[in-house]
Amino acid sequence: GENVEQHPSTLSVQEGDSAVIKCTYSDSASNYFPWYKQELGKRPQLIIDIRSNVGEKKDQRIAVTLNKTAKHFSLHITETQPEDSAVYFCAATSRGGAQKLVFGQGTRLTINP
Amino acid sequence: DTGVSQDPRHKITKRGQNVTFRCDPISEHNRLYWYRQTLGQGPEFLTYFQNEAQLEKSRLLSDRFSAERPKGSFSTLEIQRTEQGDSAMYLCASTLDGRGGYTFGSGTRLTVV
Repeated sequence: GENVEQHPSTLSVQEGDSAVIKCTYSDSASNYFPWYKQELGKRPQLIIDIRSNVGEKKDQRIAVTLNKTAKHFSLHITETQPEDSAVYFCAATSRGGAQKLVFGQGTRLTINP
Repeated sequence: DTGVSQDPRHKITKRGQNVTFRCDPISEHNRLYWYRQTLGQGPEFLTYFQNEAQLEKSRLLSDRFSAERPKGSFSTLEIQRTEQGDSAMYLCASTLDGRGGYTFGSGTRLTVV
């Protein structure tokens, strides 16, 4: 089945700097790649997603890039702010009709003022 | 309709007791998923419904777990004879035809003592 690896597990950056989180997936049939932000005790919230027919997508300070050949995708956050501090999860849809999401292990992002 | 609702938010139960959780998805979403999330990990898929049909179950879903979606709207997840290892956050998500945009509920945090 699908396997998603996420790195790094923790990331600390200065406010205003950029943060990059990377994920690799194993199933070449995966076609949807969302990123979720989860604050302590709260639900995962979708922040950006990308489909396999697109190489890059941007929404204000957040961007996602996808390399289908290498089977990896990355989250880029620019001009980081303290409220960006959270755990971020990447995910990929699995092969099959369920289109269930397989999640990475998460990255704890800390923005230092 | 303000999103995916889950009830209760928290549940503390004694080992061996049965518990039942409820999920109300976004009304027009025909697909409903249950995930389990333990501390420091990404959500793990448990089971999936398309309308009222349960179409896939994870190997994580032992025979003590059962889920239903009787009218294709809300869903329940029951755990019988709870064990300490069942302690986790149980998340529900819904989507329309798997076209992305999976929306998560706030989850039910189960603590088995």
